[in-house]
Amino acid sequence: GQNIDQPTEMTATEGAIVQINCTYQTSGFNGLFWYQQHAGEAPTFLSYNVLDGLEEKGRFSSFLSRSKGYSYLLLKELQMKDSASYLCAVRDRSNDYKLSFGAGTTVTVRA
Amino acid sequence: EAGVTQFPSHSVIEKGQTVTLRCDPISGHDNLYWYRRVMGKEIKFLLHFVKESKQDESGMPNNRFLAERTGGTYSTLKVQPAELEDSGVYFCASSRDRGIYGYTFGSGTRLTVV
Repeated sequence: GQNIDQPTEMTATEGAIVQINCTYQTSGFNGLFWYQQHAGEAPTFLSYNVLDGLEEKGRFSSFLSRSKGYSYLLLKELQMKDSASYLCAVRDRSNDYKLSFGAGTTVTVRA
Repeated sequence: EAGVTQFPSHSVIEKGQTVTLRCDPISGHDNLYWYRRVMGKEIKFLLHFVKESKQDESGMPNNRFLAERTGGTYSTLKVQPAELEDSGVYFCASSRDRGIYGYTFGSGTRLTVV
């Protein structure tokens, strides 16, 4: 299986930048996903990385290094509505429909 | 398009009772998945349907759990009899293809067994 680690909690100020790290171990890496989940709501898709490098999408960017088993999600110009849980999930080539999730990082944005 | 719908949103039952969770995927999505998150832990895969067929049920905890998808549309997940450790949030997700670019999740059913 995959061992996926991410910090439990992070706190940042409105307007600031926060970087959420995710490390993983898998024998046949086939993609990494970031999801955002507000309390009581559905996880919503943020980004997908399968090749090394940075994917930018508005205020959110995601980076992947396959050789290091490492990804980060960068949230810029933080807004209060960005307070949520951020989930890192990895897919293995042996099972390309199944996601393995980290425990999630709760981000709190303060005024 | 309408999203993935799950019912009920919350359920509180006593140990030993039966509960049935329902998931309506996005119309036209052949692939349907069930996941579960127990308190303090990560979301874990339970099983995967392609249309009405179970492709992978390796994540189902034990034989007290039964998932069905008759007709390849909505799916149900029955827990019988429920135990305390079954408490958690049960998520359903669907995708048109094999989830190459991820899935669309429902808001989940929070199950509490007392």
